Amino acid sequence: EVQLVESGGGLLKPGSSLKLSCVVSGFTFSRYGMHWIRQAPKKGLEWMALIYYDGRSRYYADSVKGRFTISRDNSKNTLYLEMNSLRYEDTAMYYCAKSDFDHWGQGVMVTVSS
Amino acid sequence: DVVMTQTPPSLSVAIGQSVSISCKSSQSLVARDKITYLNWLLQSPGRSPKRLIYQVSKLDSGVPDRFSGSGSEKDFTLKISRVEAEDLGVYYCLQGTHSPTFGGGTKLELK
Repeated sequence: EVQLVESGGGLLKPGSSLKLSCVVSGFTFSRYGMHWIRQAPKKGLEWMALIYYDGRSRYYADSVKGRFTISRDNSKNTLYLEMNSLRYEDTAMYYCAKSDFDHWGQGVMVTVSS
Repeated sequence: DVVMTQTPPSLSVAIGQSVSISCKSSQSLVARDKITYLNWLLQSPGRSPKRLIYQVSKLDSGVPDRFSGSGSEKDFTLKISRVEAEDLGVYYCLQGTHSPTFGGGTKLELK
């Protein structure tokens, strides 16, 4: 059974940093690209970032380019999202998803508030 | 960025009724490999999104054949025949041909 489990969310102040994790099981993680997607409260879905299977190529939405970094550790079957200079508008549920969006995690909440 | 315009934003339906949702892209979604990477997802209340259809018309495993997808280039449609209670939630189109973008969503509610 494919499982993606996010963790690392919480309540943060503007300007702070946070690193999310997504631990994967049930498929060969090292063969697939992975995405981060977020959903602000009562809003739609917004794609954030993609990392290729080997970590050599990474792509970002303009809204987070330069502030967020996607990375992976294939030896640990884990995907990461490092978030810096957090803003109020980064408040959202963050999901990881497999390359073709065929499997998603349950999501982790990040709240940015003073 | 490719803009995905999804309509209508909401639908009120009776069980057993059929509905259609439209998704129009600002650019062609035909990739260099000639595949069109257009997906449909359903987010049931309180749940993560779930992919229902990929490459315009291919149903994911376990998805009832009441769901069907059609379209080409820039114009796509999701049809649900004989809506059931479990179909309620928010539907999103998602293009993966270019840097991924989602439609704004269509909320399917009971009449």
